[in-house]
Amino acid sequence: DAKTTQPTSMDCAEGRAANLPCNHSTISGNEYVYWYRQIHSQGPQYIIHGLKNNETNEMASLIITEDRKSSTLILPHATLRDTAVYYCIVRVVTGGFKTIFGAGTRLFVKA
Amino acid sequence: NAGVTQTPKFRILKIGQSMTLQCTQDMNHNYMYWYRQDPGMGLKLIYYSVGAGITDKGEVPNGYNVSRSTTEDFPLRLELAAPSQTSVYFCASSRQGQAGTGELFFGEGSRLTVL
Repeated sequence: DAKTTQPTSMDCAEGRAANLPCNHSTISGNEYVYWYRQIHSQGPQYIIHGLKNNETNEMASLIITEDRKSSTLILPHATLRDTAVYYCIVRVVTGGFKTIFGAGTRLFVKA
Repeated sequence: NAGVTQTPKFRILKIGQSMTLQCTQDMNHNYMYWYRQDPGMGLKLIYYSVGAGITDKGEVPNGYNVSRSTTEDFPLRLELAAPSQTSVYFCASSRQGQAGTGELFFGEGSRLTVL
């Protein structure tokens, strides 16, 4: 599985959009981009994933660049409860056993 | 569905003791994983399994053993506990392949302290 690079930490004002970048320049054609978040010491929670098209669900939007070498997770209206560590990983759906997590981005949402 | 269930939630061990962290999932997922997370750090993959009877090492397997006799259960064994194994352990499962989306479902974690 390809490695990803994320900023260590980011701040966001409550009610504003939080844009979390991820670089995955060595991604393979069959690898998906997945985003998870971890609040306090809970188990990570799945947010969204995509292959090459932009995706949106009730939690967030995922924007993947045309060359697929980077992506951005967008939380449209951040709340204090969105303060968490966000992990971007790339993996295949068929196979993908060695799912490696990096250090993630610690997002602080401030009132 | 209960999802992924881990027991115990908390445990204190003495150096040299052994114990097993239990993990069970009721989603009929084929893949299961064990991760550890040290304070302030990301998750490190210990072992994974792609199906009953099949396991393999992850990033940090030393000091641990696993087995997968059923689809549902994936216990993690610590044979000779060391202070370096003080960590939070997370079990996860996923459905891989044509019928799956590949997302990981995590348990709530097991907090282990070795003194």
